[in-house]
Amino acid sequence: KQEVTQIPAALSVPEGENLVLNCSFTDSAIYNLQWFRQDPGKGLTSLLLIQSSQREQTSGRLNASLDKSSGRSTLYIAASQPGDSATYLCAVRPSSASKIIFGSGTRLSIRP
Amino acid sequence: SAVISQKPSRDICQRGTSLTIQCQVDSQVTMMFWYRQQPGQSLTLIATANQGSEATYESGFVIDKFPISRPNLTFSTLTVSNMSPEDSSIYLCSVLGTGKETQYFGPGTRLLVL
Repeated sequence: KQEVTQIPAALSVPEGENLVLNCSFTDSAIYNLQWFRQDPGKGLTSLLLIQSSQREQTSGRLNASLDKSSGRSTLYIAASQPGDSATYLCAVRPSSASKIIFGSGTRLSIRP
Repeated sequence: SAVISQKPSRDICQRGTSLTIQCQVDSQVTMMFWYRQQPGQSLTLIATANQGSEATYESGFVIDKFPISRPNLTFSTLTVSNMSPEDSSIYLCSVLGTGKETQYFGPGTRLLVL
């Protein structure tokens, strides 16, 4: 059974720092992996989608990597800003026909 | 991409009553889902809404408590029936994009049951 873990559960860094959020999954046979952002009391915003055949995806200051063999993905945020403060969730889709499985999220706080 | 709207955005309800949440998508999609997010928790899938047939419920969720309708490819409703304070959560509608790759979420409905 696929399990998705995100560590740490919470992270606080000063503004301007580069940071890495971690996501690990137990079964390397995945279809794709998606990173989301959630602001308090709101829905989820899709940030990046990585297909199983890809190693990384980039969007602006965000870069997500995928290492299937080790069961890991990282979300790199460059030059962090207070507006980046949110909960970041990773989710794995085991196959094209299956439902996505969420990690528990990392709550990120960027201090001005 | 898909743009999803939900109504209401939030509500405060009395125990024993029912609330129907609407989800509207700006394009036709094959897969629609309903999730629940309890305070401080990650998302839990309630059911897959199937167009023209009964929804497919996940373990721990039943149709009598969470009836779902999906009359067409752009609209679905979730009813939370006979509510108790334990039903206080954010309820989120979600769809798979036309390429069935990216999953999109609505803004959520924040429900508080007193």
